[in-house]
Amino acid sequence: DTGVSQDPRHKITKRGQNVTFRCDPISEHNRLYWYRQTLGQGPEFLTYFQNEAQLEKSRLLSDRFSAERPKGSFSTLEIQRTEQGDSAMYLCASSFAVPYQETQYFGPGTRLLVL
Amino acid sequence: AQSVTQLDSHVSVSEGTPVLLRCNYSSSYSPSLFWYVQHPNKGLQLLLKYTSAATLVKGINGFEAEFKKSETSFHLTKPSAHMSDAAEYFCVVSDPGAGGYNKLIFGAGTRLAVHP
Repeated sequence: DTGVSQDPRHKITKRGQNVTFRCDPISEHNRLYWYRQTLGQGPEFLTYFQNEAQLEKSRLLSDRFSAERPKGSFSTLEIQRTEQGDSAMYLCASSFAVPYQETQYFGPGTRLLVL
Repeated sequence: AQSVTQLDSHVSVSEGTPVLLRCNYSSSYSPSLFWYVQHPNKGLQLLLKYTSAATLVKGINGFEAEFKKSETSFHLTKPSAHMSDAAEYFCVVSDPGAGGYNKLIFGAGTRLAVHP
């Protein structure tokens, strides 16, 4: 069990550029979540995958955001035409679906700064 | 809708003294509740979880929490603080989705400072 990994750990970009983040979940986990954490706040849910299917997207996820999980393994989160308000920590979590016993394990996050 | 309120944004204790971090929740049904800890530049780590079994839940590093339905509370305690406990703590409630998944609803966090 190597844990959830995320890449890159830090990203600085200029307003208007596109960025892509990657999350590698714990290998046997079939559920994958993305959250966003702004400074001084708790994380907020963005989107969820069951295997390769994206089953829910938060209203926080504007049309500039897209997430994929091809083949139900790693996931990518892309932000197009970044804005300064996108600056945040982007967290990925994975879990194994067990009724009433699900525990989400978080990666270290990708910290995005949009200049 | 599910929500959590962490009653203190900052808590400061001396090393060796008890820790109390307060959390109230709101849920339409029997909730699953969690406490996560976040150390600087590290990922969120699960401390403990309540899923309708015993109301007193023991977690890692000597932390425990008690689920009190009548008070809608899930306070986190530790008998004796250690310097390494200094971190941000999040109370979390699970919001089940139609497909049986669980998006987590986080509180705003409590920053715990431990002084020598």
